[in-house]
Amino acid sequence: EVQLVETGGGLIQPGGSLRLSCAASGFTVSSNYMSWVRQAPGKGLEWVSIIYNDGTTYYTDSVKGRFTISRDNSKNTLNLQMNSLRAQDTAMYYCARWTGMVYDHWGQGTLVTVSS
Amino acid sequence: EIVLTQSPATLSLSPGERATLSCRASQFIATSLAWYQQKPGQAPRLLIYDASNRATGIPARFSGSGSGTDFTLTISSLEPEDFAVYYCLQRHSWPQTFGQGTKVEIK
Repeated sequence: EVQLVETGGGLIQPGGSLRLSCAASGFTVSSNYMSWVRQAPGKGLEWVSIIYNDGTTYYTDSVKGRFTISRDNSKNTLNLQMNSLRAQDTAMYYCARWTGMVYDHWGQGTLVTVSS
Repeated sequence: EIVLTQSPATLSLSPGERATLSCRASQFIATSLAWYQQKPGQAPRLLIYDASNRATGIPARFSGSGSGTDFTLTISSLEPEDFAVYYCLQRHSWPQTFGQGTKVEIK
C-alpha cells in the first residue's frame, strides 16, 4: 500500500528556516516524480516544487532561491528545505506523487506557520 | 501561467440533487484537466483525470466533460459524503495550476 507521511512543520519566525520530510512506503521515491503542494489557511491549492526521477527540479516563482527540494534515497524520503521564510509561506504542506498526469497519492500534510 | 477559474464559488444543494461545477482555463489545455475532492482536514482525492476519466474507485455518479477551455464536473445525485470542496488542475502547460475551488454545501 502506498503511504506518504510528512513531518517537520511548526511555528517559525520570519526569516527562519525549516526542513520538511516526507517518508514514503509502498513505492520508491527516486523512481517517481514527487511534488510539494501547499494550501494557505482557508485558501486553495498551490504547487510549490517538483523533483523528477532524473533529479531535475522546478519551483514556483515565489520560492525560487529560498526553497530546495531533494531526496534521500537511503531513507526513501522527499525533503523540502525552506529558508528565508515569510508570513506568506504559512500553509499546510503536502507531498504528493505525480504520475505525469495526476497526483495519485498525497500525504496528510504538515503545517508551517511563519509568525513572530 | 494558465489561470483556471472555477464557478460558482459556492453551490448550495440538497442531497439527491444534481451538482454542476465549472472550470474555465485562460488558454487552450486540450483535455489535460483533473478534478479533486477535498474534505476538511483531509488531503485532496483524485476524482477525474484527462477531463472525463474516473479514477479507480470513484463512483459512477461523478462525471467529467469538456475540452479546450471549458470543463464541467457533474455529480448526478448528491450523497451526504459528497459535500466538500472541489478543485480542477491543469497539466497542459508548465507550471501546473489549480483552480480556486468550488465548495458544495448542504442547503
